[in-house]
Amino acid sequence: DAGVTQSPTHLIKTRGQQVTLRCSPKSGHDTVSWYQQALGQGPQFIFQYYEEEERQRGNFPDRFSGHQFPNYSSELNVNALLLGDSALYLCASSFGQRLNQPQHFGDGTRLSIL
Amino acid sequence: DQQVKQNSPSLSVQEGRISILNCDYTNSMFDYFLWYKKYPAEGPTFLISISSIKDKNEDGRFTVFLNKSAKHLSLHIVPSQPGDSAVYFCAASEDFGNEKLTFGTGTRLTIIP
Repeated sequence: DAGVTQSPTHLIKTRGQQVTLRCSPKSGHDTVSWYQQALGQGPQFIFQYYEEEERQRGNFPDRFSGHQFPNYSSELNVNALLLGDSALYLCASSFGQRLNQPQHFGDGTRLSIL
Repeated sequence: DQQVKQNSPSLSVQEGRISILNCDYTNSMFDYFLWYKKYPAEGPTFLISISSIKDKNEDGRFTVFLNKSAKHLSLHIVPSQPGDSAVYFCAASEDFGNEKLTFGTGTRLTIIP
């Protein structure tokens, strides 16, 4: 039973560039959430996708956008990269319509902005 | 505004003893609480959760206690083992888990052999 998988593992970009991160949810899950984890902090919620629509959004600028595909996989896009976007980006999946179900996380993509 | 707080950045416990990790929250709308464990270079791993309709949930060596009136939860690990050394995050959600997770800043637990 495959868990949540993310790609790539590491990425180095320069300021002003654009990046796309990818996530495949755990088998059977239909909801994908994205989080940003800065060094020494807990993960911060970016947004959540269910049925290919953005269901909930955290306090992140419009430079952060996403997409969910019919097979439930998801992409996170960040435009006009800033130095402050350097962080670990985590994807989590869950069952969208069931109560008291935990989100399961992938190992993340480490994004470094030079 | 930090809605979920873990006030102890680190904790050291002797192997075989009990580890107690604490978490406080301010949002009274939270109704589902989780603990995650994180090793370096890995994503958070789900450990145990509790719904607001309960005050205790147990799974093997791990027990979570919820005190709604104090807006406080704790994770007990007994007995502590060297493999338990990791960063532990407390998280909370509204709508019984269907909403976003709000995390604390984590507690680094070190088990001393």
